[in-house]
Amino acid sequence: GENVEQHPSTLSVQEGDSAVIKCTYSDSASNYFPWYKQELGKRPQLIIDIRSNVGEKKDQRIAVTLNKTAKHFSLHITETQPEDSAVYFCAATVSNYQLIWGAGTKLIIKP
Amino acid sequence: DVKVTQSSRYLVKRTGEKVFLECVQDMDHENMFWYRQDPGLGLRLIYFSYDVKMKEKGDIPEGYSVSREKKERFSLILESASTNQTSMYLCASSLIRAEAFFGQGTRLTVV
Repeated sequence: GENVEQHPSTLSVQEGDSAVIKCTYSDSASNYFPWYKQELGKRPQLIIDIRSNVGEKKDQRIAVTLNKTAKHFSLHITETQPEDSAVYFCAATVSNYQLIWGAGTKLIIKP
Repeated sequence: DVKVTQSSRYLVKRTGEKVFLECVQDMDHENMFWYRQDPGLGLRLIYFSYDVKMKEKGDIPEGYSVSREKKERFSLILESASTNQTSMYLCASSLIRAEAFFGQGTRLTVV
């Protein structure tokens, strides 16, 4: 079945620097790839998503890239700020119903 | 705004008790999910439902059951609570191949 691997598990960057989180998936039929942010004590919330007919999508300081051939997609955060500190999850669809989740990346922004 | 509401934020139950966790969504979503979240283990799917009275096992269904009698409500049942079911439980709902919206979570402690 589908498997989603996410790296790194922890990422520490200096405030103002960029952060990149990478995910790979195994099912070539997957066509929807969301990224969620979970702040401490809060629920996961969607921050950006991409569908398989698009290679890149941007929303202010956040971007996601998708390489369907290599079956990987990445989250890019530029000019990181303290409020970016959180756990980030990637996911990929396996059917009309299910998302398969990565294990999460704890992003730490150092002042 | 989509709302996914879980009946309790915190619960403390005794070993062997039958426990009901309730989740209600107000956006007419077909899909509903129950996840368990433990430190370092990400989001693990317990059960999901893609229609009223329909249910499918996720990755860790043992010790749990679910009920979906109405489209807006998805209940998770712990038939006989055990200490290893102490965890954060998250409910989510979504349309087909679209953003999942999460409830605020129920932190269950089994003593």
